[in-house]
Amino acid sequence: DTAVSQTPKYLVTQMGNDKSIKCEQNLGHDTMYWYKQDSKKFLKIMFSYNNKELIINETVPNRFSPKSPDKAHLNLHINSLELGDSAVYFCASSPTSGGARTDTQYFGPGTRLTVL
Amino acid sequence: AQKVTQAQTEISVVEKEDVTLDCVYETRDTTYYLFWYKQPPSGELVFLIRRNSFDEQNEISGRYSWNFQKSTSSFNFTITASQVVDSAVYFCALSEGFNKFYFGSGTKLNVKP
Repeated sequence: DTAVSQTPKYLVTQMGNDKSIKCEQNLGHDTMYWYKQDSKKFLKIMFSYNNKELIINETVPNRFSPKSPDKAHLNLHINSLELGDSAVYFCASSPTSGGARTDTQYFGPGTRLTVL
Repeated sequence: AQKVTQAQTEISVVEKEDVTLDCVYETRDTTYYLFWYKQPPSGELVFLIRRNSFDEQNEISGRYSWNFQKSTSSFNFTITASQVVDSAVYFCALSEGFNKFYFGSGTKLNVKP
């Protein structure tokens, strides 16, 4: 069974379009994340949700909007896509809850977004 | 200032050589965690190890070993007798506080047959 899954794996789209990436984890974790990995492999956290509540919102254009319908899902919606949004987006989850220290993050397989 | 520094951008070795990947971190917290992840050419991020700040004991897992030294704020990773399958980008990461997670810029390891 896949622990953290993302769909789609590849996404090619035109500038200006709106797209969504879905993430699901079956680990029973409380916290989920979205990361962006650029072409130089640099990983940057974008958002973090704990039990459906937003707890980290880094400096990300407001064209990016995360949505967590329940604690097993964290979707990423991107409006008005731009060329610079091309990257690999990783979803992750960890068992952190309450005031506990960060635990290990487990990553999904990534979604390669290409904006033409 | 970077929280996690991996000064080696890329390393190339020949199979069976030992190789050490350096990681230097910066934190003011007394409780923190350090991690290593592997990203093979297939692209997924694979968790390798997690250490807490109170446990400086070195760890060995097969051909992998980790050296944690608080005095130098380093958490280095050594692969003994490297193999082609070890070729990947390796990331060191630090967590501090509540859900503060920082990745280094990664070290690309090329192991040639």
